[in-house]
Amino acid sequence: EIVLTQSPGTLSLSPGERATLSCRASQSVSSNYLAWYQQKAGQAPRLLIYGASSRATGIPDRFSGSGSGTDFTLTISRLEPEDFAVYYCQQYGTSPLTFGGGTKVEIK
Amino acid sequence: QLQLQESGPGLVKPSETLSLTCTVSGGSISSSSYYWGWIRQPPGKGLEWIGSIYFSGSTYYNPSLKSRVTMSVDTSQNQFSLKLNSVTAADTGVYYCARQAAGTDYWGQGTLVTVSS
Repeated sequence: EIVLTQSPGTLSLSPGERATLSCRASQSVSSNYLAWYQQKAGQAPRLLIYGASSRATGIPDRFSGSGSGTDFTLTISRLEPEDFAVYYCQQYGTSPLTFGGGTKVEIK
Repeated sequence: QLQLQESGPGLVKPSETLSLTCTVSGGSISSSSYYWGWIRQPPGKGLEWIGSIYFSGSTYYNPSLKSRVTMSVDTSQNQFSLKLNSVTAADTGVYYCARQAAGTDYWGQGTLVTVSS
């Protein structure tokens, strides 16, 4: 199975700052089938990015994804108050589908 | 707008079978473009994919749970279901049903299942 390692575990930033989240895979992700999700407390995850770099419907353009192979990045260009949450990466190119352990973006 | 809703008991005894159903509205489960899946989240922890099913009944499961999982689909009711047998406290968590396409784009609200006597 492909193990996804997210870093850092926690990111402490202020509104308006740039957030850079990393997701590293233990082996190459097939066809760059890598997704990013945002999850707030008590809510289901929300799809932000699929195919490593394509924004899902309705996602603001301050969210962007990049990377290929084994190294992927989610960037939030300017943090809004509603962006403080936990973010997960997921690979869906190889069964079993796997998730990273998450990065919590908290208010500094 | 597509909506998914989980239903089933919130409390299951150890060694028994956890059974959940996901009802899909606002779209057809018989679409050839999607798989339908189950994902769970233990309290305070991360996400774990359980398995997925196609409208034809084709399934694929997480090997870590495969021996205990059965998924089925009822296209006439626009529903799909999960059964997880021989549950223990480690199976406690929020269970989500979801649609899988390019990523998992629609999720149910989740249902908390507690395994306890």
